Amino acid sequence: NFMLTQPHSVSESPGKTVTISCTRSSGSIATTYVQWYQQRPGSAPTTVIYDDHQRPSGVPDRFSGSTDTSSNSASLTISTLQTEDEADYYCQSYDAGNWVFGGGTKLTVL
Amino acid sequence: QVQLQESGPGLLKPSQTLSLTCIVSGDSFTNGGHSYIWIRQHPGQGLEWIASIFTNGNTYYNSSLRSRLTISLDTSKNTFSLRLNSVTAADTALYYCARDPMGPWGQGILVTVSS
Repeated sequence: NFMLTQPHSVSESPGKTVTISCTRSSGSIATTYVQWYQQRPGSAPTTVIYDDHQRPSGVPDRFSGSTDTSSNSASLTISTLQTEDEADYYCQSYDAGNWVFGGGTKLTVL
Repeated sequence: QVQLQESGPGLLKPSQTLSLTCIVSGDSFTNGGHSYIWIRQHPGQGLEWIASIFTNGNTYYNSSLRSRLTISLDTSKNTFSLRLNSVTAADTALYYCARDPMGPWGQGILVTVSS
């Protein structure tokens, strides 16, 4: 079993770039794919990144995902921040078929 | 365009069984390659995975809920369902269905357990 740890909150200004990390507690981050979900206030989550770095259709290329084995973490990078990007972001991976979620990161765009 | 929509009761009494169905449109289970998921979110909290089912029938359950859970697939209706027995107030949450890994997600259904 492993845990995924995210920062509780991050903030950045419109037009800037922000990166949210997701650190795996044990086992290699490269072992299983990582997904990222965006949840705006009062709305259902949506997938913004799947299979580490793939974007579902309709997700702008301002959103990108990556993994880093040296830090055993995955990252979601959002460039050219817009106010509409303000949301909670969750990372997720797999543990023997079971889903594991990170605790979520609240992104404030101010 | 693939869409998922949850349906089921919004209010249950303690000890009753929660039955939720997710209607999948724009995709067919016979296409294969995906799994389908139930997730819940307690008020003001993060996401909690409940169960997954693959189109070949393989299932995975959250170990903390396993004894009360059944997930199933109906290929003729293009739906998948969740049954959670012996509900308590702790099962009060927003319940979402989703397709793994790229989505989409349903809009969610609020389930309240109260006497």
